[in-house]
Amino acid sequence: NAGVTQTPKFQVLKTGQSMTLQCAQDMNHEYMSWYRQDPGMGLRLIHYSVGAGITDQGEVPNGYNVSRSTTEDFPLRLLSAAPSQTSVYFCASSYSSISNQPQHFGDGTRLSIL
Amino acid sequence: QQQVKQSPQSLIVQKGGIPIINCAYENTAFDYFPWYQQFPGKGPALLIAIRPDVSEKKEGRFTISFNKSAKQFSLHIMDSQPGDSATYFCAARDGTASKLTFGTGTRLQVTL
Repeated sequence: NAGVTQTPKFQVLKTGQSMTLQCAQDMNHEYMSWYRQDPGMGLRLIHYSVGAGITDQGEVPNGYNVSRSTTEDFPLRLLSAAPSQTSVYFCASSYSSISNQPQHFGDGTRLSIL
Repeated sequence: QQQVKQSPQSLIVQKGGIPIINCAYENTAFDYFPWYQQFPGKGPALLIAIRPDVSEKKEGRFTISFNKSAKQFSLHIMDSQPGDSATYFCAARDGTASKLTFGTGTRLQVTL
């Protein structure tokens, strides 16, 4: 199994550009989420989804959009990139949002906004 | 506002030592407390987790101690090895909101 796959691994954008970070999982997990990791701040939840067609905001949702058209995919869209969005982005999935299932993380996308 | 406070920020121990990482929380809706281990260039991986109705849980060399009344929990690594050098995150899950809140992380270095 591939687990949670994130693409691209690295990306450099200019301020104002838009892009989509891809996340796919092959474990038939219902729950998926996006985090950003910044030095000294741990991981902060951006958006999450408890199933196909259902999404909700996390702690730091501004400037990001998500959709969940299939169980497998959960893309994160940056609408108009800003330098404050320079970060490492992690996608995670788990079997369920209700039970205490472990979250499986991808290896991250390192994003720089110039 | 940091809902899960983690300390120390960094820690250096000699091989065989017992590093201890501490976390504290305020939200009584938290009902699940996992610890994650992260190596450079990789995503976090679940190490061990505990529920608040248990005071201690051991898995191999890793032990979580949980103090519900003090709203504190800690990770102990017995007989630490250089391969344990990584960043460790505590986290807490709000079962009512399906969200996982992370601490700020502890960078552990185990020296020979």
